[in-house]
Amino acid sequence: GQQLNQSPQSMFIQEGEDVSMNCTSSSIFNTWLWYKQDPGEGPVLLIALYKAGELTSNGRLTAQFGITRKDSFLNISASIPSDVGIYFCAGHNLSGTYKYIFGTGTRLKVLA
Amino acid sequence: DVKVTQSSRYLVKRTGEKVFLECVQDMDHENMFWYRQDPGLGLRLIYFSYDVKMKEKGDIPEGYSVSREKKERFSLILESASTNQTSMYLCASTPTGWRNQPQHFGDGTRLSIL
Repeated sequence: GQQLNQSPQSMFIQEGEDVSMNCTSSSIFNTWLWYKQDPGEGPVLLIALYKAGELTSNGRLTAQFGITRKDSFLNISASIPSDVGIYFCAGHNLSGTYKYIFGTGTRLKVLA
Repeated sequence: DVKVTQSSRYLVKRTGEKVFLECVQDMDHENMFWYRQDPGLGLRLIYFSYDVKMKEKGDIPEGYSVSREKKERFSLILESASTNQTSMYLCASTPTGWRNQPQHFGDGTRLSIL
């Protein structure tokens, strides 16, 4: 099945730094979701985006629905150690089903 | 909050065994999903169900079957487990309505087939 291209695959950052990651697709999506998965846990929904150009925040997290509808971005400001985990994007492409397509994840490690 | 509960966090089984993974959600959601998660491959959809006794194949249904006898429960069955089915299995649910509603996940079952 189709997968999204998510980058970077992994990143190490210092505590207090800002983080950026993105997802791109060859097809248009009508919805983008961002999830975080802690080690040994299931993904937890962080932000949902439903409109091209939409910018939505959840605490220190901000996500944007790209204007082309083929990409989305997630930014984390002033990272802290508990931000460690895997961040996934997911896109829905008006296929008439409930199926989402998932990115392969960005593994984030924060150095104190 | 939506609660999706998977019956086992860790499971070890032997090749050839019939394996059942159970998932229960408490929000009266119509739609339920089973994924497997492997490093570098992300989440891949195995099966989903949009109503009791209804099921549809996802992207990788081979070697799996599912059962949905009650609305709140969705079971994944490995008919004859093989080592290449060692993986993390995630269950998710979403209500009926707009087809793009976010999916809510359980904590996963890490399954090892020896």
